[in-house]
Amino acid sequence: QKEVEQDPGPLSVPEGAIVSLNCTYSNSAFQYFMWYRQYSRKGPELLMYTYSSGNKEDGRFTAQVDKSSKYISLFIRDSQPSDSATYLCAMSESGGEKLTFGTGTRLTIIP
Amino acid sequence: DVKVTQSSRYLVKRTGEKVFLECVQDMDHENMFWYRQDPGLGLRLIYFSYDVKMKEKGDIPEGYSVSREKKERFSLILESASTNQTSMYLCASHQTNRHNNEQFFGPGTRLTVL
Repeated sequence: QKEVEQDPGPLSVPEGAIVSLNCTYSNSAFQYFMWYRQYSRKGPELLMYTYSSGNKEDGRFTAQVDKSSKYISLFIRDSQPSDSATYLCAMSESGGEKLTFGTGTRLTIIP
Repeated sequence: DVKVTQSSRYLVKRTGEKVFLECVQDMDHENMFWYRQDPGLGLRLIYFSYDVKMKEKGDIPEGYSVSREKKERFSLILESASTNQTSMYLCASHQTNRHNNEQFFGPGTRLTVL
C-alpha cells in the first residue's frame, strides 16, 4: 500500500462547476499538508498549505484536512479553464524538508 | 522573483552514458532536492541535501549520485544511464523555517535514454 493515495483521474468538469480532489494517507505522523498545481511542461507550484486538521480558504480554493480519517481535500469553486492542470497532494512530518507526494490528479475544465 | 533553473529542458542519451543534470537556485536556500516524475507513480525523491557537501538518500537512490559543491548548485549524476531512467527530473529548493514550508521547483528536464 502506498503511503499516500490519490485518484489519478483524469477528471473533466464543465466551467463553473465545483471540483473536489482528495488524498488519503496511512502515516499518522504527517502534520503538514500541501496541494501543488502543475501546468503542462512546468514544475509544480505550491497552491495551498495547511498545518494539522482544519480548513483553509484562499479565494476560490479551500483545503480541508481530517487527521482522524487520514483524508485531505481540495475544493475549487467556480472552476475556470485556467484551473486545468495536474494537482498533487503532498505531506510531511516536520515541514517542507521531505515531502511525500500523491500521484497527482489531472483536471480539465471544459469551457 | 524566486527562481530554480535546470540546465536542460530535454535530453537524449544512450545506454551506458554518464549523464549530468544541473540545478541552480538563486534564493540562498539551504535545502535542495532531486525528484523523478513518472505517470502513475507521481514524484519520487531521489536525493536531497541540507547543506554544501552534504547529501541524503531519498526513496529511490539506486543508479544515481549527487554533488553539492556550492550552496546554489545541486547536480544529479547518472553514472551509467539505463532505459529505466527515462523520466522527468525535477529539482526543488526549500528554506527551513519558512512560514509555509514551500518547495520551489524548476521546470524539469525530460530525459530519454535510448
